[in-house]
Amino acid sequence: DAMVIQNPRYQVTQFGKPVTLSCSQTLNHNVMYWYQQKSSQAPKLLFHYYDKDFNNEADTPDNFQSRRPNTSFCFLDIRSPGLGDAAMYLCATSRAGKLSAGYTFGSGTRLTVV
Amino acid sequence: ELKVEQNPLFLSMQEGKNYTIYCNYSTTSDRLYWYRQDPGKSLESLFVLLSNGAVKQEGRLMASLDTKARLSTLHITAAVHDLSATYFCAVDEAGGGADGLTFGKGTHLIIQP
Repeated sequence: DAMVIQNPRYQVTQFGKPVTLSCSQTLNHNVMYWYQQKSSQAPKLLFHYYDKDFNNEADTPDNFQSRRPNTSFCFLDIRSPGLGDAAMYLCATSRAGKLSAGYTFGSGTRLTVV
Repeated sequence: ELKVEQNPLFLSMQEGKNYTIYCNYSTTSDRLYWYRQDPGKSLESLFVLLSNGAVKQEGRLMASLDTKARLSTLHITAAVHDLSATYFCAVDEAGGGADGLTFGKGTHLIIQP
């Protein structure tokens, strides 16, 4: 089945140690998104790629970066994780212009910072 | 700035009862999405509402959209325990659906036997 896959499901990292989260998709969607969801809060958009064009949300900290080497893969890099970055990170995809398909979310990566 | 407001944020109800969750938004978008989230899990898509007057039903859940009032509702009929979860509504602004979603704060629903 076509889907959005996030690895790993759980990630534990040390305070200040760079960490990378991975997302891949088999839907051939041209837009990929990263959301951060802290405990008991709504998901918050960090940034997205429209094809190769990177779009950063205005309030996303500089500590968060992203890469999209090809259509299928997108990575979230946290350069120096702090305790406040512990959260569920959700990757999503969409096909711009095909509204009826909506957005497809991956299963998420839960990040713990120790 | 797009704002999405849900109410109530917390709802405890008994099995067999009916209730409605409301979602108001500030943009002129005519696309609204409902998601379910179980603890520790990702988002499960429930409904995609793409036009004024859209109504969709799945089992005991029914969602509707009034773009003129900028209001969507999620109605629960004869609730059962398995529907206990957090429900989010979300809206996107862009014409092509490319700028991502803005979520409401979510409604934490507990259904008691």
